[in-house]
Amino acid sequence: GENVEQHPSTLSVQEGDSAVIKCTYSDSASNYFPWYKQELGKGPQLIIDIRSNVGEKKDQRIAVTLNKTAKHFSLHITETQPEDSAVYFCAAGVMEYGNKLVFGAGTILRVKS
Amino acid sequence: GAGVSQSPRYKVAKRGQDVALRCDPISGHVSLFWYQQALGQGPEFLTYFQNEAQLDKSGLPSDRFFAERPEGSVSTLKIQRTQQEDSAVYLCASSQRGRQGGSSPGNTIYFGEGSWLTVV
Repeated sequence: GENVEQHPSTLSVQEGDSAVIKCTYSDSASNYFPWYKQELGKGPQLIIDIRSNVGEKKDQRIAVTLNKTAKHFSLHITETQPEDSAVYFCAAGVMEYGNKLVFGAGTILRVKS
Repeated sequence: GAGVSQSPRYKVAKRGQDVALRCDPISGHVSLFWYQQALGQGPEFLTYFQNEAQLDKSGLPSDRFFAERPEGSVSTLKIQRTQQEDSAVYLCASSQRGRQGGSSPGNTIYFGEGSWLTVV
């Protein structure tokens, strides 16, 4: 089955700097890669996703890149703000199979002001 | 509704007690998922419904876990004879389309706030 690894487990950046979180997956059949942000006591919230037919997607300060050959994808947050502090999860799935997702272990992002 | 709604938000159960967790998906969403999230970990898949049909229950950890969605909307996750290792957040999620939905924004998965279960 699918296995998703996520690095780093914790990341501390200065406000205004960029943050990068990386994930690798094992199942070449996976074609959907969402990123979720989870704040304390809340459920995961989708922040951006990418499908395997594109290599990069950007939404304001957030971008995701996908390398299908190497089976890895990354989240890039530019101009970080204190409100970006949270736990971020990557996930992988096959959209045609009802989109059952396999999640990484999460990255705790702390933005210092 | 506006989002996925779960109840209760917090539940403390004595070991051996049965619990029932409820999920109200986004109105009209065909797919419904249950995930289990242990402290400091990512969510792990438990089971999947397409309308009222339970198409995948491969993630249920034991036969003490049972889920249903009898009318294709509200779902209940039941845990019988709870044990301490069942302590976790139970997340419900829904998406607009089902398995044949293909690659489209309608397959985006939206999560609820979770039900926090502590077994003492």
